[in-house]
Amino acid sequence: QKEVEQNSGPLSVPEGAIASLNCTYSDRGSQSFFWYRQYSGKSPELIMSIYSNGDKEDGRFTAQLNKASQYVSLLIRDSQPSDSATYLCAVNGDNNFNKFYFGSGTKLNVKP
Amino acid sequence: DGGITQSPKYLFRKEGQNVTLSCEQNLNHDAMYWYRQDPGQGLRLIYYSQIVNDFQKGDIAEGYSVSREKKESFPLTVTSAQKNPTAFYLCASSIKGGVVNTEAFFGQGTRLTVV
Repeated sequence: QKEVEQNSGPLSVPEGAIASLNCTYSDRGSQSFFWYRQYSGKSPELIMSIYSNGDKEDGRFTAQLNKASQYVSLLIRDSQPSDSATYLCAVNGDNNFNKFYFGSGTKLNVKP
Repeated sequence: DGGITQSPKYLFRKEGQNVTLSCEQNLNHDAMYWYRQDPGQGLRLIYYSQIVNDFQKGDIAEGYSVSREKKESFPLTVTSAQKNPTAFYLCASSIKGGVVNTEAFFGQGTRLTVV
């Protein structure tokens, strides 16, 4: 069983601050990495994907990947109360690209 | 609008009953997936399908069954053999299965409760 680990939180940040969410994964062969946002009672929504080492920016979101350290992170700049949700990290790759493995998520609270 | 539609949104099952959860997509995606989410936990893969008339067991397939007779549809049956079926069930799809760099998109989910 491939493992994806996240701190469950909650992570509390004030409005306007940078929120930093972290994820580690066990399978060194993983090749694709994703961040999903999930509001309470709703389904996950894809917000970022990253496939190569380094940073990828999309608006207020930056995903960072370090395959050598088996580490993925998500930075949210200028955090808003509407960003309050659970953020799920997912990975796939290695021998079977059909299996997306998910972490249990980090709950983010952005305080006004 | 293109998307993935799951129905019903809420479902109640009596002990010993089989129930079927519907998942339909009009994104022309080849691959479809079923996941289960329990409170405070990540998503666990039940079944997946890369193409029509083919599907594979995921990590927690016991007590579940699926079919893929049409590209657009991937229904999940929760059988009476599933001893703890109360959970949030999520259907997802991706453009193509079995390739790297493919993103998965989710339907709105079905919340199943055993009564």
